Order: sequence, then C-alpha cells, then structure tokens
Amino acid sequence: LAKTTQPISMDSYEGQEVNITCSHNNIATNDYITWYQQFPSQGPRFIIQGYKTKVTNEVASLFIPADRKSSTLSLPRVSLSDTAVYYCLVGPMDSNYQLIWGAGTKLIIKP
Amino acid sequence: NAGVTQTPKFRILKIGQSMTLQCTQDMNHNYMYWYRQDPGMGLKLIYYSVGAGITDKGEVPNGYNVSRSTTEDFPLRLELAAPSQTSVYFCASSSSGQGLNQPQHFGDGTRLSIL
Repeated sequence: LAKTTQPISMDSYEGQEVNITCSHNNIATNDYITWYQQFPSQGPRFIIQGYKTKVTNEVASLFIPADRKSSTLSLPRVSLSDTAVYYCLVGPMDSNYQLIWGAGTKLIIKP
Repeated sequence: NAGVTQTPKFRILKIGQSMTLQCTQDMNHNYMYWYRQDPGMGLKLIYYSVGAGITDKGEVPNGYNVSRSTTEDFPLRLELAAPSQTSVYFCASSSSGQGLNQPQHFGDGTRLSIL
C-alpha cells in the first residue's frame, strides 16, 4: 500500500511560485498521483492527476520524476486565495482500493 | 449544475438520537462516497457505492449505515449518536470510470455535533 508524506505546513508570498512535494516511496506500478485542495468550511476540490513526467492544467502543474517516488505540485504566481490545505493521494485507477487521506499540507500565502 | 448537495449544513444531536444525512448529485455519477473529517485531520472513508443497490464499507463504518436506491441519492444514517461521531461529514461522487481514484466532486459538508 502506497503511503504519502507531505510537509505539515508551508508559507509563501503573493506572486511567488509554490512547490509542494509529496513523498511516496512505495508507489506501485499501477498507481496514479492525485492532488486535492481544501478551503476552510468546504469540501476538497480536485486539482490535478498524473502518472509520470509532467501534467499541466489551468490551475497547476504536477511534476513526477522517472522513479515516481515523489511528486511536486506547482502553483504559479499564488494569491491570497490559494491559502488552503493540499492533499496528495496515491492509488490505482482501476480498482476499489481505498485511498488514504493524510493531514495534507497547510499552505499560507502572505501579502 | 448543482453538483453534490448535502443537507443539513449543521445539526446538533443528543446522545442516542438518530438522524439521516442527505446527499444527492446531478452529474449521473455511478460512484458515491461518505467521509468524515475530524479537526486538523484528513478524510476517512465511511462507506462507498459503485452504483444503485451496491454499497461497501470504508475505513470507519461502525455506527453508520447507508443505502443507494437511486443513482442520485446516497443517504447516511446514524442510528445511536455518540460523542465520537461529532465531525464534519462530506459526500462525494465520481464518474463512471472504474476505481475509487477517479476525480471526486465533493459537497460542502454537514457539521454534526453530538452532545
């Protein structure tokens, strides 16, 4: 079972690029990496998902090295509204394997 | 589209009371989920359903029951409320792709206090 490790918290400033790294040393061959964002008093929101190399959408980029033992969520030019908790999840796409949600990374953006 | 709608948003129960948390989605998703989230913690899966008439236990099912009679609705039942069930409850759904790791769409949660 893949297990993830993320920093408990991070600080940054408006306009900066923020990179949050997730470690998943025991990732399996058929596992995908998924990131969610959660604002206070709201449910999590899907951000991005990938298997290898780089995935980019309108919100973020996901970088996955060749060994896939870690992944980095990159948020370009953050604003105060990006203050949230970010969760990294690892699991297969084609089974009912139950994903494990850790405590996530609390990102605080300062003016 | 409304997405995933949960009712009520807040509720206070007395120990031993029962209640049903309602969840409905209008995206025609086959998969639906119930989670609980305690302060400062990640989500824990209570029950999930892969389609109407099919439900299965998650990580923390004790003290809860679910049913899935339609694609749209997935109610969560607490039979004998206990203080340990004080939490925020989230319902989610995902597309008909196989597996629980499909991107999930969440409701805004029900904040439940048991006193």
